[in-house]
Amino acid sequence: EIVLTQSPGTLSLSPGERATLSCRASQSVSSTYLAWYQQQPGQAPRLLIYGTSSRATGIPDRFSGSGSGTDFTLTISRLEPEDFAVYYCQQYGSSPLFTFGPGTKVDIK
Amino acid sequence: QVPLQESGPGLVKPSQTLSLTCTVSGPSISRGDYYWSWIRQPPGKGLEWIGYIDHSGGTYSNPSLKSRVTISLDTPKNQFSLKLNSVTAADTAVYYCARNNAFFGEGFDYWGQGTLVTVSS
Repeated sequence: EIVLTQSPGTLSLSPGERATLSCRASQSVSSTYLAWYQQQPGQAPRLLIYGTSSRATGIPDRFSGSGSGTDFTLTISRLEPEDFAVYYCQQYGSSPLFTFGPGTKVDIK
Repeated sequence: QVPLQESGPGLVKPSQTLSLTCTVSGPSISRGDYYWSWIRQPPGKGLEWIGYIDHSGGTYSNPSLKSRVTISLDTPKNQFSLKLNSVTAADTAVYYCARNNAFFGEGFDYWGQGTLVTVSS
């Protein structure tokens, strides 16, 4: 069974700063099937990045994804007030078919 | 837009069956392009994928829940449903329905707003 680990658990930053979030898999993940989501309090998650590095519809270009194999990164180049949220990585393919990481909370310093 | 909306009881007694329905507005769920999934999130915790159903009624569930999960399709109503039996307090969560889109690497591109189901006597 594949396990996704995200670090750090919490990232405290100021608006305008750069955020770098890590997602590590216990086994190799196809780059086609690695996604990132943003979840605001009380809301459903929103797809940000799919295929490791492609932005979903309507996602601003300050969000970018990279990585391969077992190590993936979500970068927010300059934090806007609406970017303070919880971010999840997710893989498709290895048992249990769809797996989410535990999340990284980006909060205001 | 592809609004999804969950519906069902917000309170279920231990050992009983949790039943939820997701109504899809927009493209027919019988189209072959998508999977239709259930995902849950216990209060204050992360996301757990429960299972999906495809356009022809084929299903696949998380092995950790597989023996308790039934997902079904109601094509004329453009709905799909979840049944989770023998529930315990550990099944208390916000339950989301969502669409998987192969164009997005099977990412979940549309989600319902979620519905809180509490398991308690």
